[in-house]
Amino acid sequence: QKEVEQNSGPLSVPEGAIASLNCTYSDRVSQSFFWYRQYSGKSPELIMSIYSNGDKEDGRFTAQLNKASQYVSLLIRDSQPSDSATYLCAVNVGSGGGADGLTFGKGTHLIIQP
Amino acid sequence: GAVVSQHPSRVICKSGTSVKIECRSLDFQATTMFWYRQFPKQSLMLMATSNEGSKATYEQGVEKDKFLINHASLTLSTLTVTSAHPEDSSFYICSARSQGDGELFFGEGSRLTVL
Repeated sequence: QKEVEQNSGPLSVPEGAIASLNCTYSDRVSQSFFWYRQYSGKSPELIMSIYSNGDKEDGRFTAQLNKASQYVSLLIRDSQPSDSATYLCAVNVGSGGGADGLTFGKGTHLIIQP
Repeated sequence: GAVVSQHPSRVICKSGTSVKIECRSLDFQATTMFWYRQFPKQSLMLMATSNEGSKATYEQGVEKDKFLINHASLTLSTLTVTSAHPEDSSFYICSARSQGDGELFFGEGSRLTVL
């Protein structure tokens, strides 16, 4: 059974600092990894996708993937109060173009303190 | 990015009635759409995979006769919650992939409250 684990938090980070969110997954053949941000009462929105080992940067966000350790993380630099949300880690066994639904973690509740 | 529209955003119904939720891909064709359910403070749980022109594939533990899925066209999938009960109250979210792109785009979600 595919599992995606996240620390539920809340994770409290001062404004301007780096927020680090972590995720582990159980299915070793997983190939596609995603970070979604979800505000309360809203549907998730995609923040980052990563498919190969290493770092991927997009603005203030950096995703890190280590397939050997089955670990994926999201770093948010210069954290803003608007970054306060629940961050969902999602994993897909397929290469990304297939028809498989994603498996989601329970999410980490991030609070950026002004 | 691709846009997925879901309707209605909120619905309140009496126990025993049926409710239909629509999911549309607005600027791309989606041969496959996914239906998720999310209870408060819980993760999104995949309910079923909706396939255009064929039967949906349901996840283990999801009753196919209770949650009817119809994917009649490449841009529309519907989820009907039949004989709804209070325990069906949840946030239902559809999603779809645009072709050639691994990213999953979500509809706005539909909050169902069964009295």
